[in-house]
Amino acid sequence: AQSVAQPEDQVNVAEGNPLTVKCTYSVSGNPYLFWYVQYPNRGLQFLLKYITGDNLVKGSYGFEAEFNKSQTSFHLKKPSALVSDSALYFCAVRDWGGRSGGGADGLTFGKGTHLIIQP
Amino acid sequence: AAGVIQSPRHLIKEKRETATLKCYPIPRHDTVYWYQQGPGQDPQFLISFYEKMQSDKGSIPDRFSAQQFSDYHSELNMSSLELGDSALYFCASSLDPNTGELFFGEGSRLTVL
Repeated sequence: AQSVAQPEDQVNVAEGNPLTVKCTYSVSGNPYLFWYVQYPNRGLQFLLKYITGDNLVKGSYGFEAEFNKSQTSFHLKKPSALVSDSALYFCAVRDWGGRSGGGADGLTFGKGTHLIIQP
Repeated sequence: AAGVIQSPRHLIKEKRETATLKCYPIPRHDTVYWYQQGPGQDPQFLISFYEKMQSDKGSIPDRFSAQQFSDYHSELNMSSLELGDSALYFCASSLDPNTGELFFGEGSRLTVL
C-alpha cells in the first residue's frame, strides 16, 4: 500500500522568507511524487513532480522539491515566499510498481498543509 | 489552453435520489480519474479509466458507477444518495497513465439534503 504523510497542518512564514512544506511517503516499489496546490473551492493545480533523475526538481511559481530516498521525503521549498503563495498544498504519490498493473493508478494524497504567508 | 471540463458545477439532491456528473478531459488525454473531497479533507481516489477501460479502483461505494465513453469523456453515476455523499467531486485527466501529472477540473459540488 502507498501512503503520504504531511506532518504539519499549517505552516506560517513571513513574506520574503524561505518556506518548506514537509512530505514523507511510503511505497512498496519506486515512487512517483507530486505536489499540488489548491485555492479555496478550486481544483488542484500541478506544481512539480519527481519521476527519476536529478533529486532536485523545479516547478511552477518558483517552487522546488528535493527527493530524498533514504529519508523517504519530498519536501516542497521556495527561497522567498509571497503572500499569494498562501493556499493548501498537497503531496501525492504513485507506486511505480502499480496496483492494477495496467497503468492509471490513482494518486494517493496527503492530508494537506495550509501555507500562510504573512505580509 | 484547454482544461478539464466538469458539469454541473453545483448540484443539490435529496436523499435516495440519483446524480450524474460529467467530465470532459483535455484533448488527447486518454486517462481519466475521479476523486471525492469532503469538507476539509484530502482528495480520495474513486476510480480511473485508461483507453475506455477501468484501470484502477479506490474507495468508490457500490452505489456509484462510472464509465468512459468512446470520445473519452467520463460520467460518474451515484445512486441512493446519502448525506455523507455531499462533497466536491473532481475529475482529472492525464496524457501518460504512469508518469504523467494529473490535470484537475474545477470540481462538481454535490449537496445532499
